[in-house]
Amino acid sequence: DAGVIQSPRHEVTEMGQEVTLRCKPISGHDYLFWYRQTMMRGLELLIYFNNNVPIDDSGMPEDRFSAKMPNASFSTLKIQPSEPRDSAVYFCASSLAPGLNSPLHFGNGTRLTVT
Amino acid sequence: RKEVEQDPGPFNVPEGATVAFNCTYSNSASQSFFWYRQDCRKEPKLLMSVYSSGNEDGRFTAQLNRASQYISLLIRDSKLSDSATYLCVVIAYTGGFKTIFGAGTRLFVKA
Repeated sequence: DAGVIQSPRHEVTEMGQEVTLRCKPISGHDYLFWYRQTMMRGLELLIYFNNNVPIDDSGMPEDRFSAKMPNASFSTLKIQPSEPRDSAVYFCASSLAPGLNSPLHFGNGTRLTVT
Repeated sequence: RKEVEQDPGPFNVPEGATVAFNCTYSNSASQSFFWYRQDCRKEPKLLMSVYSSGNEDGRFTAQLNRASQYISLLIRDSKLSDSATYLCVVIAYTGGFKTIFGAGTRLFVKA
């Protein structure tokens, strides 16, 4: 099992540019999560999908952020336009169905720096 | 008040020491509990699930106290390789589920 795959690993961009982060969940997992981690705020849930449908996007900071899951094996998180305060590590995670028998599995993360 | 609270530490302990972390949660609808471990500049990884009766995995013991709404993790005979941040995770079911991570407790094990 390849695990959750994220790309790119690192992204450096200038303020105002569009950024797209990508995620491939573990095959067969019905839930996909996007998290953001910073020193100040820790791990924050941005949005999660169940069977490709967004269920809770209350953690998405503002309209500059959008996420899609066009099929069971791919999701994107887009920031447009990006700002320096968006600099963070963005993790994607997947799960069969969150619970004791199916914890979240995380990808390696994308380290985003916006200058 | 945060939904999941942990002492941020850091805990600095010598090799071989026993160290314990606590985590409190505020949502009484919380149903599932975990400890994750996160190394510097890496992703969080599951350390162990926490069962109501308590459970042990080698040197690690997890306990759950539903009445007081706290979870604990005990590490015995600590190793240098145990140095990491330990995240408490709670899943609450309230018309849909919510996965909440604590801010983490940093542990440094020294030779």
